[in-house]
Amino acid sequence: AQSVAQPEDQVNVAEGNPLTVKCTYSVSGNPYLFWYVQYPNRGLQFLLKYITGDNLVKGSYGFEAEFNKSQTSFHLKKPSALVSDSALYFCAVREREQAGTALIFGKGTTLSVSS
Amino acid sequence: GAGVSQSPSNKVTEKGKDVELRCDPISGHTALYWYRQSLGQGLEFLIYFQGNSAPDKSGLPSDRFSAERTGGSVSTLTIQRTQQEDSAVYLCASSFGLAGGTYEQYFGPGTRLTVT
Repeated sequence: AQSVAQPEDQVNVAEGNPLTVKCTYSVSGNPYLFWYVQYPNRGLQFLLKYITGDNLVKGSYGFEAEFNKSQTSFHLKKPSALVSDSALYFCAVREREQAGTALIFGKGTTLSVSS
Repeated sequence: GAGVSQSPSNKVTEKGKDVELRCDPISGHTALYWYRQSLGQGLEFLIYFQGNSAPDKSGLPSDRFSAERTGGSVSTLTIQRTQQEDSAVYLCASSFGLAGGTYEQYFGPGTRLTVT
């Protein structure tokens, strides 16, 4: 079975500092990995995805994520946090060998960036 | 073009009543998904439609929940005999077809359902 874990319910960082939001996954085969962001009272917005190729994936708003197969992780990172980055972040996975399935989402991590 | 739209944006209903939630996917997207978002529970997969294939209903929590997709476009999620635990935000998403599963999903703004 596919699953995603986001071990931190909340991450607090100061503006200008680097941020990391953690995600680990479990699939039987090879993963496709996604990050989404949900701003207050808004729908989920796609940030970035890992399909194949370079392990470091760059996405919207200066975010990036690194795929680590040995650690089964796909942590979201940004070198310098902005107050406007404060939102709820979701990691999601789909197993490549099960292309005809919906994404499985983690429970989300609330990012709070203080000025 | 237009994104995924959902209606109504908010719905308050009495326990035991039936409700219908509507989703209009992005034009050209053949895949459509319903999720439920409850506080502290993340996104719970409910049902998935892909083209003319039989839908994946594996996430529906009970037989009170059902969904249809007419003409490969608009979808309706129906909850019969609503219960208070059905209160949540119901999210619809769409994407391009299978293509090996590489396509990201685009989400609508959701319908907030409150059962009193």
